[in-house]
Amino acid sequence: EVQLVETGGGLIQPGGSLRLSCAASGFVVSSNYMNWVRQAPGKGLEWVSVVYSGGSTYYADSVKGRFTISRDNSKNTLFLQMNSLRAEDTAVYYCASGTAYYSLAYWGQGTLVTVSS
Amino acid sequence: DIQMTQSPSSLSASVGDRVTITCRASQSVSDYLSWYQQKPGKAPKLLIYAASTLQSGVPSRFSGSGSGTDFTLTISSLQPEDFASYYCLQSYGAPWTFGQGTNVEI
Repeated sequence: EVQLVETGGGLIQPGGSLRLSCAASGFVVSSNYMNWVRQAPGKGLEWVSVVYSGGSTYYADSVKGRFTISRDNSKNTLFLQMNSLRAEDTAVYYCASGTAYYSLAYWGQGTLVTVSS
Repeated sequence: DIQMTQSPSSLSASVGDRVTITCRASQSVSDYLSWYQQKPGKAPKLLIYAASTLQSGVPSRFSGSGSGTDFTLTISSLQPEDFASYYCLQSYGAPWTFGQGTNVEI
């Protein structure tokens, strides 16, 4: 059974940094496309970033230059380093992946990031 | 970047109704289009991938169609557990993009 478990969320002041982790089991992070998706309170889903199996990374324009996606193959874990955080980054952050046609069959439970002074 | 326009943003329906939700891409995404259902406080659930392939375990009342720029999610006979929000996602080109979502209400 595939499990994705996110950790690292919390309350952070504007301009601060936070690193989210997504630990995978039953699934090999390095062999699949791994994504971060976020959802602000009461809003829709927003795609944030992807790392493909080959290592290429891409970002939404809203986070480009501030967020960095990476993975630790030895720990089978995905990360999202978030710098220069803004109030509008407040959201539940989901780790998501899949195996077919770049769809997202597997999701974590989400971790809440609140950016506020 | 590819923009996804989803409509309607909300709809009211009754149990047994046929419901159709559409997504239009600003340029061709081939069939790299998937559909998700989300209930309050829960992670999204994959319903359809490759525009028309039903994810394992998803009831057959859900179906998807389309290719290129125009896509449709259809629920043939709405059930009480189908009242939720629905999103399309294009993964043809990065950055990937979701539609704005459709709230299906009673």
